[in-house]
Amino acid sequence: QLQLQESGPGLVKPSETLSLTCTVSGGSISSSSYYWGWIRQPPGKGLEWIGSIYYSGSTYYNPSLKSRVTISVDTSKNQFSLKLSSVTAADTAVYYCASQRRDGYNLWYWGQGTLVTVSS
Amino acid sequence: QSALTQPASVSGSPGQSITISCTGTSSDVGGYNYVSWYQQHPGKAPKLMIYEVSNRPSGVPDRFSGSKSGNTASLTISGLQAEDEADYYCSSYTSSTFYVFGTGTKVTVL
Repeated sequence: QLQLQESGPGLVKPSETLSLTCTVSGGSISSSSYYWGWIRQPPGKGLEWIGSIYYSGSTYYNPSLKSRVTISVDTSKNQFSLKLSSVTAADTAVYYCASQRRDGYNLWYWGQGTLVTVSS
Repeated sequence: QSALTQPASVSGSPGQSITISCTGTSSDVGGYNYVSWYQQHPGKAPKLMIYEVSNRPSGVPDRFSGSKSGNTASLTISGLQAEDEADYYCSSYTSSTFYVFGTGTKVTVL
């Protein structure tokens, strides 16, 4: 069973870049069965898909965030990462990473989530 | 790509059945059998409850069922229990933007 764990700063200043890493254990990030995704949830609000990546490097982004988002993968470390630039208070959210099955696009395994607050 | 449309809230008494709808378009819900449903309790990560419209992962009670008709998918909880009180989100693959979530539904057990 896959396990995912987010890590990164819990506080980011406005206009700076939010950076998070997701470490995958219990399986290989190079598996052909999965995409690897980022999802966020502002306090008291719903889920928003940010983007997904395949181990080969192919990426898929939410159009509303595409100009500010970069998702990358490091197969040697079994990790994938999220960078969100020019953040504002509206980017304050719990950020989740998840494994997304390629044969059905469902988000099967999730990390516990990490709260990132944008504030000076 | 707009979020899939769900009712903000649904409620029912223990033992009753409730249904949550999830309305999209022919580019997502209506065009593919890639609809999933997630349950989220407060402070917890979402949990996959239904995948590919009507399939249940191992360990999910069979009182949870999914279906689809046209551009609308549905999640039915039969024999509602207190622990089913949570937020529920649908999601779908979409040909336009890859993936999209629903707006979310708060289920209250009266």
